[in-house]
Amino acid sequence: GAVVSQHPSWVICKSGTSVKIECRSLDFQATTMFWYRQFPKQSLMLMATSNEGSKATYEQGVEKDKFLINHASLTLSTLTVTSAHPEDSSFYICSAPNPDFSGNTIYFGEGSWLTVV
Amino acid sequence: AQTVTQSQPEMSVQEAETVTLSCTYDTSESDYYLFWYKQPPSRQMILVIRQEAYKQQNATENRFSVNFQKAAKSFSLKISDSQLGDAAMYFCAYRSAGGNEKLTFGTGTRLTIIP
Repeated sequence: GAVVSQHPSWVICKSGTSVKIECRSLDFQATTMFWYRQFPKQSLMLMATSNEGSKATYEQGVEKDKFLINHASLTLSTLTVTSAHPEDSSFYICSAPNPDFSGNTIYFGEGSWLTVV
Repeated sequence: AQTVTQSQPEMSVQEAETVTLSCTYDTSESDYYLFWYKQPPSRQMILVIRQEAYKQQNATENRFSVNFQKAAKSFSLKISDSQLGDAAMYFCAYRSAGGNEKLTFGTGTRLTIIP
């Protein structure tokens, strides 16, 4: 079945540096992917919608210049956290909808833990 | 904008018993999808069950079933014969039937299974 893979699962970076997280659809093409953020003991909050070949759509309050999203191919979307700070430490998870668009199946990646020290 | 509310931060149930998790939502749309996701400690999001709003029949997946009340905008999850592996965070989620497949999540319910 369709699978979405994220990499890395865990990453630690120094404050002020940038870190990239990849989200891949392994056996289907995804023109749209979604990036969520989850703080400890909280729900998933949508950060942005990644659109293949065009600019991402960011949710209100999400800094576009800080969270760079690139969807250069039909199987890969990347989230780059630029000039990371400790408050950016969180769990980031991506999702992609079922390409057959049955309308009700969305696949999630395994998620990525980011710790900024 | 749509909102999803889960009023039970934590629930517990004896193993083999039945538990119901509550979810209400607010929307002005007539066509949409509702989901229950399970998130174990691994943080992987696992789809438990889904419901299309245009279907009157409640969805069922083995031990999991929903009580979908469209007029009341309620979407509860019933877990029968609870098992230790059911322990996890459960999130209710909403998705418009239109072109955007983004999900709006509730705040979650932590389910504990008592042996």
